[in-house]
Amino acid sequence: AQSVTQPDIHITVSEGASLELRCNYSYGATPYLFWYVQSPGQGLQLLLKYFSGDTLVQGIKGFEAEFKRSQSSFNLRKPSVHWSDAAEYFCAVTYNNNDMRFGAGTRLTVKP
Amino acid sequence: KAGVTQTPRYLIKTRGQQVTLSCSPISGHRSVSWYQQTPGQGLQFLFEYFSETQRNKGNFPGRFSGRQFSNSRSEMNVSTLELGDSALYLCASSPGDRNYNEQFFGPGTRLTVL
Repeated sequence: AQSVTQPDIHITVSEGASLELRCNYSYGATPYLFWYVQSPGQGLQLLLKYFSGDTLVQGIKGFEAEFKRSQSSFNLRKPSVHWSDAAEYFCAVTYNNNDMRFGAGTRLTVKP
Repeated sequence: KAGVTQTPRYLIKTRGQQVTLSCSPISGHRSVSWYQQTPGQGLQFLFEYFSETQRNKGNFPGRFSGRQFSNSRSEMNVSTLELGDSALYLCASSPGDRNYNEQFFGPGTRLTVL
């Protein structure tokens, strides 16, 4: 079955520390991959996306993600976390422009 | 460009009632998708409309329906509300004419069913 897995429900990091959020997908072929961020009570904001080409993609707010075909992974990283990064992060995949499948989300807490 | 707007932002209904939610996409976007977000089930795809036609549908009962108007605005209707329909309903728009459109999300409508 097609699925998106975010193994970490909740992560806590100290401000200034590095961050990596994991995402694995289970599909028959390489889908289009996205990371979204959601602040409490808000909609989703796109951080970055991978369609093809360079497997390391840069996004907004200093985030980057690396697509690894062999591991079916698309992990999100940030070298130095800011308190304003506290939010919920969703990995998503789609094969077309509809029926986007989301992971369960990872809630990020940033310690001062 | 204005972003995706959703109205109302908050709604309280009782079981058995019906509700209509509205979504105005980004100007020029012809595709509107709807999602339900709950703590238990996460984000789930409801359906997508493109040029006034439902193009894809998720696995929700027939109580959930939608439509799209000629100006691309979309409405979602839920009939015979159940407690489990309490959720954040998100709509997303995209140009809709390629296979990998980025979707732009609205702020959502928070529906509470009592």
